[in-house]
This record gives sequence, C-alpha cells and structure tokens, in this order.
Amino acid sequence: GENVEQHPSTLSVQEGDSAVIKCTYSDSASNYFPWYKQELGKRPQLIIDIRSNVGEKKDQRIAVTLNKTAKHFSLHITETQPEDSAVYFCAARPLSGGYNKLIFGAGTRLAVHP
Amino acid sequence: DARVTQTPRHKVTEMGQEVTMRCQPILGHNTVFWYRQTMMQGLELLAYFRNRAPLDDSGMPKDRFSAEMPDATLATLKIQPSEPRDSAVYFCASGPQGNNQPQHFGDGTRLSIL
Repeated sequence: GENVEQHPSTLSVQEGDSAVIKCTYSDSASNYFPWYKQELGKRPQLIIDIRSNVGEKKDQRIAVTLNKTAKHFSLHITETQPEDSAVYFCAARPLSGGYNKLIFGAGTRLAVHP
Repeated sequence: DARVTQTPRHKVTEMGQEVTMRCQPILGHNTVFWYRQTMMQGLELLAYFRNRAPLDDSGMPKDRFSAEMPDATLATLKIQPSEPRDSAVYFCASGPQGNNQPQHFGDGTRLSIL
C-alpha cells in the first residue's frame, strides 16, 4: 500500500526566511497531493493541493512542487510570518485502495521566530 | 462557509463507558472519513464511507469500535467499552463526489478516558 514519509519532523526559522517541507510517496500511481495546516488545538485545514498532471502550483506565499519521477513533493513557504507556525501534513491519494482515501505523512512542526 | 460539524467537542468519561461521537458532513458531500489523532500516531484513518456505504474500516479496532452512517447528514463513531488508550482527538472529514477532491475536517472531539 501507499506510504508517505515527511521531513523534517520539526523546523525552526526566523521570520522572513523561507521554509521547505518535503514528502516522498511509494505508490507511483498516486495522483493527488494535498497539504494541510493544523494550528494548536484546531482542525487540519487544506492550504494547497496539486494533481499529478501539474508540476508546480503557487498561492501567494506558498507553493508546492511535484516530481513524479522521483515520487516526491514539497511545500515552500516564503517570507514566513509568526502566524505560519503550525504543524503541516502532506498527504497522497493512491489510485488503488479506496475512493479518495488519503495517506498522511507524520507531520512537520514549523516554528517561526520573530 | 460550509463546515463539517462534530459533537461533542469534548468528552471525559470513565473506562468501560460507551462513547458516541457524531459528525454532520458538509451538505452535498458523499464521502465521510473518521480519523484519530494522537501525539505519537499523527492522523490515523479509522473508517470511511461513500454514499453512506462503508468502504474501509480496516484501521478500526473491530472489537470495540463501530462506525455507521444512518443517513446522509449523520455519521457516528462508537466505542464500547472505552479504554484509557482510546484517549485522543477524533476528527471527521467529508469530501464531495469526484476524483481527487479535497477533504474538509471538522473541529474534532477531544476524548479523555479515565
């Protein structure tokens, strides 16, 4: 079955710096890759997603890149702000195994220091 | 802004008691997912439904957990009897029909079993 690995588990940056979180997946047929942000005590919220027919997608300060050959995708946050501090989860949707089922990475705790 | 609604938000009960958690998916969504989140395990998929039919509950301990969807506006997750190791945050998520559609999470039920 699909397995998603996420690195790093914790990331600390200074305000204004960039942050990059990387995920790898095992099922080459996976075709949908969302990213969720979870603030302390809150629900995971979708911040950006990418489908396998696209290599990159941007939304203001966040971007996601997908390398299907290498089976990895990354989240890039530029000009980080303290409110970006949260746990970020990547996920992959395998083609097999169920309708719109997502396999999540273990999460990255991002701390942005003023 | 349509949201997934979960009740109760918090539940504290003694070991051995029955616990019922409820979820109202976003109107029109036909897939419903139950996740458990602990510090150690991240987001763990317990069960999910499509058009009210259970598709996969392999992540759920069968002897004490049960998930149902009696109608399109209500999904339930029951634990009987509850144990201290069941303490966690339980999230419900729903998604619309169609491939590669994002899941939207509810605010979760924070469960503590004493």
